Amino acid sequence: ETGVTQTPRHLVMGMTNKKSLKCEQHLGHNAMYWYKQSAKKPLELMFVYNFKEQTENNSVPSRFSPECPNSSHLFLHLHTLQPEDSALYLCASSQTSGGATDTQYFGPGTRLTVL
Amino acid sequence: GQNIDQPTEMTATEGAIVQINCTYQTSGFNGLFWYQQHAGEAPTFLSYNVLDGLEEKGRFSSFLSRSKGYSYLLLKELQMKDSASYLCAVVDSNYQLIWGAGTKLIIKP
Repeated sequence: ETGVTQTPRHLVMGMTNKKSLKCEQHLGHNAMYWYKQSAKKPLELMFVYNFKEQTENNSVPSRFSPECPNSSHLFLHLHTLQPEDSALYLCASSQTSGGATDTQYFGPGTRLTVL
Repeated sequence: GQNIDQPTEMTATEGAIVQINCTYQTSGFNGLFWYQQHAGEAPTFLSYNVLDGLEEKGRFSSFLSRSKGYSYLLLKELQMKDSASYLCAVVDSNYQLIWGAGTKLIIKP
């Protein structure tokens, strides 16, 4: 595997379910990101991890819970989501997050539908 | 507030040239990215401009004018595979990346 991979690619869940999204990067990067992408809206940065430490949490509701066990893996745990949380969730990595001038490499995303 | 403006959608013909504009109002400037995103796929890096002027990479070129808060992506010799969304993003003075909503480019034969 090369680049950034995400699983699952598609997920349908009810509002009472608990599920997790997984991201893995094979680029040797030290920073990883979660973004939410909704139709016709700018990418929304949700969380940033640099060297496994969370450096940013952009006022994301607590029903989204990130986990970064090491620099290569990133999870997004989901519980009691709302229909408005339906979106494409993108994972990205970069060499560092010390400055946003580092190019970010994205995974293909997980298309999430909340019923 | 901070704002990135791009046209929502553009249509062009195979073999032609198209220019996708991006204007920004941000607190400071530390560079501008262009990414390409095919439907259902990951955004992929196209260019990064931090100095004024035109940078060319094959069929794609990116231009920046910091004084005007303006950039454009120029695509030449359009191919059907260029049908995608093009995302503009600016690095502000706090080194935060501010994203535009993207421009969907439709290429017609």
